[in-house]
Amino acid sequence: NAGVTQTPKFRILKIGQSMTLQCTQDMNHNYMYWYRQDPGMGLKLIYYSVGAGITDKGEVPNGYNVSRSTTEDFPLRLELAAPSQTSVYFCAAKFSLRQPQHFGDGTRLSIL
Amino acid sequence: AQSVTQLDSQVPVFEEAPVELRCNYSSSVSVYLFWYVQYPNQGLQLLLKYLSGSTLVKGINGFEAEFNKSQTSFHLRKPSVHISDTAEYFCAVSEDNYGQNFVFGPGTRLSVLP
Repeated sequence: NAGVTQTPKFRILKIGQSMTLQCTQDMNHNYMYWYRQDPGMGLKLIYYSVGAGITDKGEVPNGYNVSRSTTEDFPLRLELAAPSQTSVYFCAAKFSLRQPQHFGDGTRLSIL
Repeated sequence: AQSVTQLDSQVPVFEEAPVELRCNYSSSVSVYLFWYVQYPNQGLQLLLKYLSGSTLVKGINGFEAEFNKSQTSFHLRKPSVHISDTAEYFCAVSEDNYGQNFVFGPGTRLSVLP
């Protein structure tokens, strides 16, 4: 019953620190996505992946990196944290183009 | 590229009243349409989806939506809302091509008042 699992749920970083947001799914879905959600702004796509070894930029990729070495895992890395990256981050996965995305519970990240 | 508009950022409504949350999209190709709900401090849950076939789709929690191709709309409706329906609602569009984008609207905050 796990679906999409994100860790950690909360994190506070100092400016300039780095961290990796973890996302794993047990549904064997090929497509995976990272979004950020800012108040009143909806969801913005950061990066996505159509399968292991294949990633591509979304709408707001600057300051982030991703990798997809396995079908299950799609970590998002922040190299030099900036206050503008304070947000709630959601990972999602879906089986095919016609199917809806399944979301994790999110990671709340604050950069001070 | 597609875009999604949700004209109402906030919709207050009294309990047991009907509600309609509006969604319009723009796209040059066929689309798949979705409505998601987000309760406070939670992720997004799928309410309903339109892939093909009947333009009236029914979802969970008594919600339904109607796809109108000529007006490029996918409005969400519920005949009688409950306090527990208070949440943020997002419309989303996926194009029927190789593009991987799954564009979300800015969201509508539904507040159900007692």
